Amino acid sequence: RKEVEQDPGPFNVPEGATVAFNCTYSNSASQSFFWYRQDCRKEPKLLMSVYSSGNEDGRFTAQLNRASQYISLLIRDSKLSDSATYLCVVNRDGGFKTIFGAGTRLFVKA
Amino acid sequence: DTAVSQTPKYLVTQMGNDKSIKCEQNLGHDTMYWYKQDSKKFLKIMFSYNNKELIINETVPNRFSPKSPDKAHLNLHINSLELGDSAVYFCASSPSRTYEQYFGPGTRLTVT
Repeated sequence: RKEVEQDPGPFNVPEGATVAFNCTYSNSASQSFFWYRQDCRKEPKLLMSVYSSGNEDGRFTAQLNRASQYISLLIRDSKLSDSATYLCVVNRDGGFKTIFGAGTRLFVKA
Repeated sequence: DTAVSQTPKYLVTQMGNDKSIKCEQNLGHDTMYWYKQDSKKFLKIMFSYNNKELIINETVPNRFSPKSPDKAHLNLHINSLELGDSAVYFCASSPSRTYEQYFGPGTRLTVT
C-alpha cells in the first residue's frame, strides 16, 4: 500500500462544474500537507498548503482531517485552465521527507 | 527572474557514462531537494539538504552523489549511468519553516 493514496481519475467535467479530490495518508507522523498541480511535461507547482481549520484560495478549498488521515481539495466553477494533474503531498521527518501521491488527472471541457 | 533553475534541460547519453545536473535557487531558502519522476509519472524524493547538510538519502544507489557547495546550489552527479536512470529529475527548494516547495523546470535524462 502506498503511503499517500489518490484516485488516479481521470475526472472529466464540464466548465463551471464543482469537482472534489480526495487523498489518504497512512503515516500518522506526517506533519505538513499540500496540494500541487502539474501540467503535462512541466514541473509541479504549489497550489496550496492544507490545514485542519480548512483554507480557501479563490475557487479552491482544501481540508485536512488528521483523525481520519484524509485530505481533500474542492474546485468550484472549473475553468479549462484547471485541466492538470493534482498531486497530494505529505511531509514528515522534520519536514524534510516529502511523499507525493500518484496524482489525480482532471480534464475540464468546454 | 527564474527562482529555481536547472541545467541542462535535456541530457542524452550512453550507458556507463558519468553526468552532472546543476541546480540553483535565488529564493534564499534553506532546504533543497532532488526528485526523480519516472515514465509512470510517479514523483519520488531522492535527497533533502538543509543548510548544505544531507538530511534525507532515500535509498538511492551510491552511483548518485549530491553536492551542495552553498545553500543556493545543489548539484547531482551520476556515475555509470544505466538505462533505468532515464527519467525527469527535478530540483526544488523550500523555506525550512513552511516546507512549501518550489520546483525547477526539470532535466529530462535519456540513457541509451
